[in-house]
Amino acid sequence: GQQVMQIPQYQHVQEGEDFTTYCNSSTTLSNIQWYKQRPGGHPVFLIQLVKSGEVKKQKRLTFQFGEAKKNSSLHITATQTTDVGTYFCAGNYGGATNKLIFGTGTLLAVQP
Amino acid sequence: EPEVTQTPSHQVTQMGQEVILRCVPISNHLYFYWYRQILGQKVEFLVSFYNNEISEKSEIFDDQFSVERPDGSNFTLKIRSTKLEDSAMYFCASSRTLAGAYNEQFFGPGTRLTVL
Repeated sequence: GQQVMQIPQYQHVQEGEDFTTYCNSSTTLSNIQWYKQRPGGHPVFLIQLVKSGEVKKQKRLTFQFGEAKKNSSLHITATQTTDVGTYFCAGNYGGATNKLIFGTGTLLAVQP
Repeated sequence: EPEVTQTPSHQVTQMGQEVILRCVPISNHLYFYWYRQILGQKVEFLVSFYNNEISEKSEIFDDQFSVERPDGSNFTLKIRSTKLEDSAMYFCASSRTLAGAYNEQFFGPGTRLTVL
Protein backbone atom coordinates (compact mmCIF):
# COMPACT_ATOMS: atom_id res chain seq x y z
CA GLY A 1 0.00 0.00 0.00
CA GLN A 2 0.92 3.65 -0.10
CA GLN A 3 3.21 4.59 2.75
CA VAL A 4 5.03 7.77 3.62
CA MET A 5 7.95 7.68 6.01
CA GLN A 6 9.74 10.60 7.60
CA ILE A 7 13.07 10.94 9.36
CA PRO A 8 14.08 11.86 11.93
CA GLN A 9 11.21 11.29 14.35
CA TYR A 10 12.56 13.94 16.67
CA GLN A 11 15.14 16.71 16.40
CA HIS A 12 16.38 18.97 19.14
CA VAL A 13 18.36 22.04 18.02
CA GLN A 14 19.74 25.20 19.52
CA GLU A 15 18.10 28.36 18.32
CA GLY A 16 19.93 29.54 15.22
CA GLU A 17 20.89 26.06 14.02
CA ASP A 18 19.49 24.60 10.83
CA PHE A 19 16.98 21.74 10.64
CA THR A 20 16.03 19.29 7.92
CA THR A 21 13.34 16.63 7.75
CA TYR A 22 13.15 14.03 4.99
CA CYS A 23 10.13 12.34 3.56
CA ASN A 24 10.00 9.17 1.45
CA SER A 25 7.10 7.55 -0.35
CA SER A 26 6.87 3.90 -1.30
CA THR A 27 5.43 4.86 -4.70
CA THR A 28 5.44 7.86 -7.02
CA LEU A 29 3.43 10.83 -5.83
CA SER A 30 1.17 13.17 -7.74
CA ASN A 31 2.12 15.95 -5.37
CA ILE A 32 3.29 16.41 -1.82
CA GLN A 33 2.03 18.80 0.79
CA TRP A 34 3.71 19.95 3.98
CA TYR A 35 1.91 20.76 7.20
CA LYS A 36 2.98 22.10 10.58
CA GLN A 37 1.21 21.07 13.76
CA ARG A 38 1.91 22.96 16.96
CA PRO A 39 1.55 21.00 20.21
CA GLY A 40 -2.17 20.60 20.88
CA GLY A 41 -3.03 22.16 17.53
CA HIS A 42 -4.21 21.07 14.14
CA PRO A 43 -2.25 20.60 10.89
CA VAL A 44 -1.68 23.91 9.16
CA PHE A 45 -0.94 23.87 5.45
CA LEU A 46 2.49 25.19 4.52
CA ILE A 47 3.07 24.41 0.86
CA GLN A 48 2.40 22.05 -2.03
CA LEU A 49 5.01 20.73 -4.47
CA VAL A 50 3.85 19.32 -7.78
CA LYS A 51 6.67 19.22 -10.30
CA SER A 52 9.61 16.85 -10.38
CA GLY A 53 12.70 18.55 -8.88
CA GLU A 54 10.68 21.53 -7.69
CA VAL A 55 12.17 23.83 -5.06
CA LYS A 56 10.09 26.41 -3.21
CA LYS A 57 11.07 28.87 -0.51
CA GLN A 58 9.09 30.57 2.21
CA LYS A 59 11.36 32.93 4.12
CA ARG A 60 13.65 30.58 6.10
CA LEU A 61 11.92 27.41 4.87
CA THR A 62 13.06 25.58 1.74
CA PHE A 63 11.03 22.72 0.30
CA GLN A 64 12.29 20.26 -2.31
CA PHE A 65 10.57 17.57 -4.34
CA GLY A 66 12.74 14.79 -5.71
CA GLU A 67 13.26 14.12 -9.37
CA ALA A 68 11.45 10.80 -9.13
CA LYS A 69 8.59 12.40 -7.15
CA LYS A 70 9.06 9.87 -4.35
CA ASN A 71 10.88 11.98 -1.81
CA SER A 72 10.85 15.47 -0.40
CA SER A 73 12.59 17.55 2.20
CA LEU A 74 11.97 20.59 4.32
CA HIS A 75 14.95 22.66 5.46
CA ILE A 76 14.70 25.45 8.00
CA THR A 77 17.59 27.89 8.16
CA ALA A 78 18.47 29.50 11.50
CA THR A 79 15.66 28.04 13.57
CA GLN A 80 13.66 30.18 15.97
CA THR A 81 11.60 29.15 18.98
CA THR A 82 8.47 29.83 16.94
CA ASP A 83 9.45 26.95 14.64
CA VAL A 84 8.64 24.42 17.38
CA GLY A 85 6.11 21.80 16.34
CA THR A 86 5.68 18.63 14.32
CA TYR A 87 6.27 18.86 10.60
CA PHE A 88 4.33 16.39 8.48
CA CYS A 89 4.66 15.68 4.83
CA ALA A 90 1.50 14.37 3.21
CA GLY A 91 1.51 12.51 -0.06
CA ASN A 92 -1.19 12.85 -2.66
CA TYR A 93 -1.27 9.98 -5.13
CA GLY A 94 -3.84 11.51 -7.45
CA GLY A 95 -6.71 9.48 -8.77
CA ALA A 96 -10.35 10.01 -7.97
CA THR A 97 -9.88 11.68 -4.61
CA ASN A 98 -7.62 14.14 -2.94
CA LYS A 99 -6.83 11.98 0.09
CA LEU A 100 -3.60 12.66 1.86
CA ILE A 101 -1.32 9.96 3.23
CA PHE A 102 0.53 11.62 6.07
CA GLY A 103 4.09 10.88 6.97
CA THR A 104 5.10 9.91 10.48
CA GLY A 105 6.11 13.47 11.29
CA THR A 106 9.23 15.09 12.72
CA LEU A 107 8.93 16.81 16.08
CA LEU A 108 11.21 19.83 16.22
CA ALA A 109 12.29 21.21 19.59
CA VAL A 110 14.23 24.49 19.63
CA GLN A 111 16.20 25.48 22.68
CA PRO A 112 16.63 29.24 23.18
CA GLU B 1 -9.77 34.60 6.78
CA PRO B 2 -12.29 31.76 6.37
CA GLU B 3 -11.65 28.66 8.41
CA VAL B 4 -13.04 25.21 9.11
CA THR B 5 -14.84 24.96 12.43
CA GLN B 6 -15.62 21.86 14.47
CA THR B 7 -17.86 21.12 17.43
CA PRO B 8 -17.56 20.00 20.10
CA SER B 9 -13.91 20.54 20.93
CA HIS B 10 -13.99 17.61 23.34
CA GLN B 11 -16.46 14.74 23.58
CA VAL B 12 -16.44 12.12 26.30
CA THR B 13 -18.64 9.07 25.81
CA GLN B 14 -19.21 5.61 27.14
CA MET B 15 -18.22 2.60 25.06
CA GLY B 16 -21.10 1.49 22.85
CA GLN B 17 -22.68 4.93 22.64
CA GLU B 18 -23.23 6.83 19.42
CA VAL B 19 -21.45 10.12 18.81
CA ILE B 20 -21.82 12.74 16.11
CA LEU B 21 -18.95 15.07 15.36
CA ARG B 22 -19.80 18.24 13.51
CA CYS B 23 -17.87 20.35 11.06
CA VAL B 24 -18.56 23.47 9.07
CA PRO B 25 -16.23 23.51 6.05
CA ILE B 26 -15.10 26.69 4.34
CA SER B 27 -18.09 28.01 2.43
CA ASN B 28 -16.83 27.85 -1.17
CA HIS B 29 -15.16 24.46 -0.75
CA LEU B 30 -16.66 21.44 -2.43
CA TYR B 31 -14.55 18.55 -1.11
CA PHE B 32 -14.68 17.40 2.48
CA TYR B 33 -12.59 14.98 4.50
CA TRP B 34 -12.31 13.37 7.88
CA TYR B 35 -8.99 12.35 9.39
CA ARG B 36 -8.11 11.06 12.80
CA GLN B 37 -4.98 11.25 14.92
CA ILE B 38 -4.41 8.91 17.83
CA LEU B 39 -2.38 10.67 20.52
CA GLY B 40 1.25 10.94 19.54
CA GLN B 41 0.76 9.32 16.14
CA LYS B 42 0.39 10.49 12.57
CA VAL B 43 -2.74 11.81 10.95
CA GLU B 44 -4.76 9.06 9.21
CA PHE B 45 -7.24 9.46 6.37
CA LEU B 46 -10.76 8.22 7.06
CA VAL B 47 -13.03 9.38 4.26
CA SER B 48 -13.49 11.90 1.48
CA PHE B 49 -16.85 13.28 0.39
CA TYR B 50 -18.04 15.17 -2.65
CA ASN B 51 -21.42 15.92 -4.17
CA ASN B 52 -23.23 14.19 -1.31
CA GLU B 53 -21.38 10.95 -1.81
CA ILE B 54 -18.38 9.22 -0.33
CA SER B 55 -15.52 9.40 -2.83
CA GLU B 56 -13.13 7.15 -0.99
CA LYS B 57 -12.80 5.58 2.43
CA SER B 58 -9.98 3.88 4.26
CA GLU B 59 -10.04 0.50 5.93
CA ILE B 60 -10.50 2.29 9.26
CA PHE B 61 -13.86 3.62 8.05
CA ASP B 62 -15.92 0.49 8.68
CA ASP B 63 -19.68 0.04 9.07
CA GLN B 64 -19.62 1.82 12.42
CA PHE B 65 -18.80 5.09 10.67
CA SER B 66 -20.98 7.24 8.48
CA VAL B 67 -20.82 10.75 7.09
CA GLU B 68 -23.51 13.14 6.06
CA ARG B 69 -24.01 16.65 4.77
CA PRO B 70 -27.42 17.31 6.30
CA ASP B 71 -27.67 20.87 5.02
CA GLY B 72 -25.70 23.39 3.00
CA SER B 73 -23.14 24.09 5.66
CA ASN B 74 -22.60 21.16 8.04
CA PHE B 75 -20.63 17.98 7.50
CA THR B 76 -20.94 15.29 10.15
CA LEU B 77 -19.14 12.11 11.17
CA LYS B 78 -21.19 9.57 13.12
CA ILE B 79 -19.74 6.66 15.03
CA ARG B 80 -22.59 4.28 15.80
CA SER B 81 -21.20 2.22 18.63
CA THR B 82 -17.97 3.63 19.96
CA LYS B 83 -15.06 1.43 21.00
CA LEU B 84 -12.15 2.27 23.26
CA GLU B 85 -9.84 2.35 20.26
CA ASP B 86 -11.92 5.11 18.66
CA SER B 87 -10.41 7.54 21.18
CA ALA B 88 -8.52 10.05 19.07
CA MET B 89 -8.53 13.58 17.71
CA TYR B 90 -10.82 13.80 14.71
CA PHE B 91 -10.04 16.47 12.14
CA CYS B 92 -12.36 17.72 9.46
CA ALA B 93 -10.78 19.25 6.36
CA SER B 94 -12.03 20.85 3.17
CA SER B 95 -10.60 21.86 -0.17
CA ARG B 96 -11.89 23.99 -2.99
CA THR B 97 -10.84 21.66 -5.78
CA LEU B 98 -9.68 18.09 -6.25
CA ALA B 99 -6.51 18.64 -8.21
CA GLY B 100 -4.35 21.42 -9.53
CA ALA B 101 -4.66 24.87 -8.00
CA TYR B 102 -6.61 25.29 -4.76
CA ASN B 103 -6.59 21.61 -3.83
CA GLU B 104 -4.77 22.20 -0.56
CA GLN B 105 -6.73 21.00 2.42
CA PHE B 106 -7.58 23.26 5.32
CA PHE B 107 -8.01 21.53 8.65
CA GLY B 108 -10.35 22.38 11.48
CA PRO B 109 -9.21 22.57 15.10
CA GLY B 110 -10.37 19.00 15.77
CA THR B 111 -12.65 17.20 18.20
CA ARG B 112 -10.96 15.17 20.88
CA LEU B 113 -13.04 12.02 21.40
CA THR B 114 -12.51 10.08 24.61
CA VAL B 115 -14.27 6.72 24.91
CA LEU B 116 -14.47 5.32 28.44
